[in-house]
Amino acid sequence: GAVVSQHPSWVICKSGTSVKIECRSLDFQATTMFWYRQFPKQSLMLMATSNEGSKATYEQGVEKDKFLINHASLTLSTLTVTSAHPEDSSFYICSARDGGGPVEAFFGQGTRLTVV
Amino acid sequence: EDQVTQSPEALRLQEGESSSLNCSYTVSGLRGLFWYRQDPGKGPEFLFTLYSAGEEKEKERLKATLTKKESFLHITAPKPEDSATYLCAVQTDSNYQLIWGAGTKLIIKP
Repeated sequence: GAVVSQHPSWVICKSGTSVKIECRSLDFQATTMFWYRQFPKQSLMLMATSNEGSKATYEQGVEKDKFLINHASLTLSTLTVTSAHPEDSSFYICSARDGGGPVEAFFGQGTRLTVV
Repeated sequence: EDQVTQSPEALRLQEGESSSLNCSYTVSGLRGLFWYRQDPGKGPEFLFTLYSAGEEKEKERLKATLTKKESFLHITAPKPEDSATYLCAVQTDSNYQLIWGAGTKLIIKP
């Protein structure tokens, strides 16, 4: 299967600082990338969808000024959590897909963010 | 409203005891149904894609099947390393996004 690399796998930051998470597709062109948030023992919650070169589409209730998404190339998307607060602590996962049809998406290994 | 429901929430089996996980869906039009496996603290790992009723796919001890209303993930003679949460997701005709089920946590006891 295709490989999606997410970095870092975990990060601890101070309240009020910003954190950037990278998501790279290593062996395919990711025309679409998704960012999810997952709370303990819960399923994936979609935060936003981004297509290369376009602005991200955010799900209802997700603050676009707080969670900045950039999909500047076909292999890289970044999620920046700005002015992080303890309630932003969570497991963030990216996924990438080549094309808009019914093709499978591949996931990164996730990033555990802890804001102290 | 498009909806995906997985059952049971959790399943405990003895090693070697075969069983099935269910994913039922109510959507306006199915483009694809996906099965993933997720280990604790990791991102989901892709397993199968099914596109139309009657389709079946196999990988080692796992076999996925699809009808017009549901999909089953059959696990034959499972081993402890098959313990994980299994997630089902559906892509519909009207949306490129995935609609996720809540997952089934599978525990295989040696």
